[in-house]
Amino acid sequence: DQQVKQNSPSLSVQEGRISILNCDYTNSMFDYFLWYKKYPAEGPTFLISISSIKDKNEDGRFTVFLNKSAKHLSLHIVPSQPGDSAVYFCAASAMYSGGGADGLTFGKGTHLIIQP
Amino acid sequence: DTAVSQTPKYLVTQMGNDKSIKCEQNLGHDTMYWYKQDSKKFLKIMFSYNNKELIINETVPNRFSPKSPDKAHLNLHINSLELGDSAVYFCASSQAGQVNTIYFGEGSWLTVV
Repeated sequence: DQQVKQNSPSLSVQEGRISILNCDYTNSMFDYFLWYKKYPAEGPTFLISISSIKDKNEDGRFTVFLNKSAKHLSLHIVPSQPGDSAVYFCAASAMYSGGGADGLTFGKGTHLIIQP
Repeated sequence: DTAVSQTPKYLVTQMGNDKSIKCEQNLGHDTMYWYKQDSKKFLKIMFSYNNKELIINETVPNRFSPKSPDKAHLNLHINSLELGDSAVYFCASSQAGQVNTIYFGEGSWLTVV
């Protein structure tokens, strides 16, 4: 039972344009969401996060939007750069409701390809 | 200076063997984890250790046993390896209960032949 879903296995975007990666979740206990970036042969690295009390968090070129009623979040990257080509994982936790010790529940990832 | 380091990075072994993957973190974190990424690319949690106590075990076969000699180390022992154990295993650590502080190691690629 997938509690975190990333329905697009891959996404191709031209350099300089906006990349939008989507994520849906089913567990209403999730209250903290993270995006991780992963290059081949490396571990996931933290990119940006958002708690359920917010609907937007921005960090440079990266913005995460959260729609709690739809149980949907998205990651926007603008402008997209060649170095952004990687696999992006959406992850969720019930951290504020005591579930932090359970770690993170991940989606399957979306492979973002930035074309020059 | 690597925050979470795991060894070996690559391991090829035969079915039925027993193997270990070591993990060390120098972040002073209280909680360490093992995650498995299988052939379908799902990244799933296997174990979580907080101050040397196992706090979750996600229906992992008992052939897998985490061992933590101290809070900076969490090693993964696997007995009687099976073909289906082939995967990438990631170690991670965080401050207790604070998933927003999770750091991952680079992964250990296990291939069982």
